[in-house]
Amino acid sequence: DVKVTQSSRYLVKRTGEKVFLECVQDMDHENMFWYRQDPGLGLRLIYFSYDVKMKEKGDIPEGYSVSREKKERFSLILESASTNQTSMYLCASSLSLAGGGGFFGPGTRLTVL
Amino acid sequence: QKEVEQNSGPLSVPEGAIASLNCTYSDRVSQSFFWYRQYSGKSPELIMSIYSNGDKEDGRFTAQLNKASQYVSLLIRDSQPSDSATYLCAVNFGNEKLTFGTGTRLTIIP
Repeated sequence: DVKVTQSSRYLVKRTGEKVFLECVQDMDHENMFWYRQDPGLGLRLIYFSYDVKMKEKGDIPEGYSVSREKKERFSLILESASTNQTSMYLCASSLSLAGGGGFFGPGTRLTVL
Repeated sequence: QKEVEQNSGPLSVPEGAIASLNCTYSDRVSQSFFWYRQYSGKSPELIMSIYSNGDKEDGRFTAQLNKASQYVSLLIRDSQPSDSATYLCAVNFGNEKLTFGTGTRLTIIP
C-alpha cells in the first residue's frame, strides 16, 4: 500500500513563528503536493513538485515555500505564520496524475494563535 | 480559471437505494477524472478514476463520464451507512495537478 506520512497530526504555533510541515512517501512517486483544506473552500493547491529540487506554485502559494531535497520528502514552510494560515494541511503523492490520482497523508491540523 | 463544481448537499439517501453524485467542470480538454471519499476528520481516499467517455464500474461504485456535456458522476448502489462521507470530484486539466470541487456531503439514512 502507498503510504504517505506527515510529521504532526496537530500543531499549535504563534503568529510570526517559522513553521515546518514534513511529508514522506514510500512509493518512489515522482509527484508530491501540498494542499490546504478549509470549510466551504475545499482543497486548494499550495505547491507541488514533480522531481527532486523542482517545485511549482499552485493556486495559493503566497506566504509559503517548499523544499524537496530527496525524492521521498517534501516540506512545506511557513516563513512567518499568520492566523489566516490556520487550516488543515494535506500532503499527497502520485506516480502520474494522468495515470492515477494522488494518495493523501493523514493531514496536519495547524492552529496559529 | 478552470473550475470544478459540485452540489454541496447534504444529500440524504435511504439505505439500500442508489446515491447519485454529480460534478461539472469548465474545460473541454480535461483528461482525467477522479472521485475521492473523505470521512469526517480523515484525509481523502481515492475510490474511482475514469479517463474516457462512458461508464466504469468497481463493485458498488460506477463512475460516468460525458466529456461533451462536461460532467462526471458517481453512482453508489445499495447504499450503506458506511458510505456516509463527503465525496470530492477532482479533474486533471492537462497538467500535473488536480483541481478539486468543494465536495458533496452524503448521508445514508438507515
